[in-house]
Order: sequence, then structure tokens, then C-alpha cells
Amino acid sequence: QVQLVESGGSVVQPGRSLRLSCAASGFSFSTSAMNWVRQAPGKGLEWVALILRDGSNKFYADSVKDRFTISRNNFKNTLDLEMNSLRTEDTAIYYCARDKDVYDSSRGGFDIWGQGTMVNVPS
Amino acid sequence: SSELTQDPAVSVALGQTVRITCQGDILREYYASWYQQKPGQAPVLVIFGKNNRPSGIPDRFSGSNSGNTASLTITGAQAEDEADYYCNSRDSSGYHYVFGTGTKLTVL
Repeated sequence: QVQLVESGGSVVQPGRSLRLSCAASGFSFSTSAMNWVRQAPGKGLEWVALILRDGSNKFYADSVKDRFTISRNNFKNTLDLEMNSLRTEDTAIYYCARDKDVYDSSRGGFDIWGQGTMVNVPS
Repeated sequence: SSELTQDPAVSVALGQTVRITCQGDILREYYASWYQQKPGQAPVLVIFGKNNRPSGIPDRFSGSNSGNTASLTITGAQAEDEADYYCNSRDSSGYHYVFGTGTKLTVL
């Protein structure tokens, strides 16, 4: 069935690195733009990063730019998020989500979500 | 950067109609999408584009747009509609996204 499954979350000390992964199945991953979205404990949703379907273009929120790197493997149907120089404010549940149509907002939206993986950067 | 503002909390009596709004200048340029999130669960897309529902979303959910405001309307709210609701749209660059501040809906 249509599914996204995140993994890799853990407790990590400030300044260290962590890599999250998202495994996709049940839909055409290679033709889908993909996003990472996070949610700090008790807080709202925050968009983190977007990668277009061929991986050629990547976009980041200002809060993670130059620290996080989004990547994908269309042969393995996986999406990754490499997180460096982690800060306490990066503590959140990280979700991967498919972008229905990155080029046309009238058809857009994040229509497939994973269950999330928790990253904890303690102070 | 673009911002999307929502009322923090809204309540509705069971079976009545409620409108949740999302305001931001970027909505004059791009459509919003709407997400329902229940405690401990991932968000679910409920409305996208002008007024489109993904498969499986009840037709009591509808969307509308006017100027810098996008609205999500639930006609005949049910107990299971109690959740947090977020709007989302692109920012002026077109390839960055922003989520609204979120609205907690209580069904009385």
C-alpha cells in the first residue's frame, strides 16, 4: 500500500550530526517531489526542506539552511535528511511528505505522510 | 518571509458549521492546502487547491478563498473532527513552504 516510513531518529548531543531516512512504497516515488516537515513538542508544523523529483533542485527553510542536506535515491525509493551542527531547537518529530504538485498550487498539497521519527537534542 | 496566521482555538457545537481561517499576503498568489492533525498522529491533507478533497475525506469539509484569506469550513461538525488544523502555502519564492500557526478545533 501507499506508505512512507521514516527512521533514524534518536537522542543526539548539540553540535553532532544525524541522518534520517524515509522509505517510500506504493506510489511513483521517482516522479514525486518530496519534503521534510518537523514538529517540535507541543508546537506547530514547520516546513524544513524540499527536493524535486530528479534531485537536481533542493530548497531549505532559513532555520536549517547550510546545516541540513536533503537527498534522494530513486532506485532505492528513499529520501534522506542529513542534519549537521544540531541545536536544541532542532528537537522535533520529523515527517517526510509527498508533494502532490510542486509546480501548481491549485493541485498541490502534501498528500502522503509518514508516521514521523523523533529527534531529541538535549540542552 | 511569508507568514500565515490562524486563530489559535475555535469551538463548534456538534452538528453545527464552523469556519477556520488562514490569513497571509501570499494567499493572493498561491492556493492554500489544509491539514487535520489528531494527537499522536501525522497530519492528513483534507483540502487542496480551490476546493478539492482527497479521496476519503468527507464532503462536510470544504475550502474557499478571498483576497488574502483562505478558509476551511466544516458543515455539520462531528466529534471526530476535533483536531488541530493547519493551512500551508508557498512563499514568494515559489519553492519554499510555510505552515499556518494552527487552530485547535473543539467540538462541544
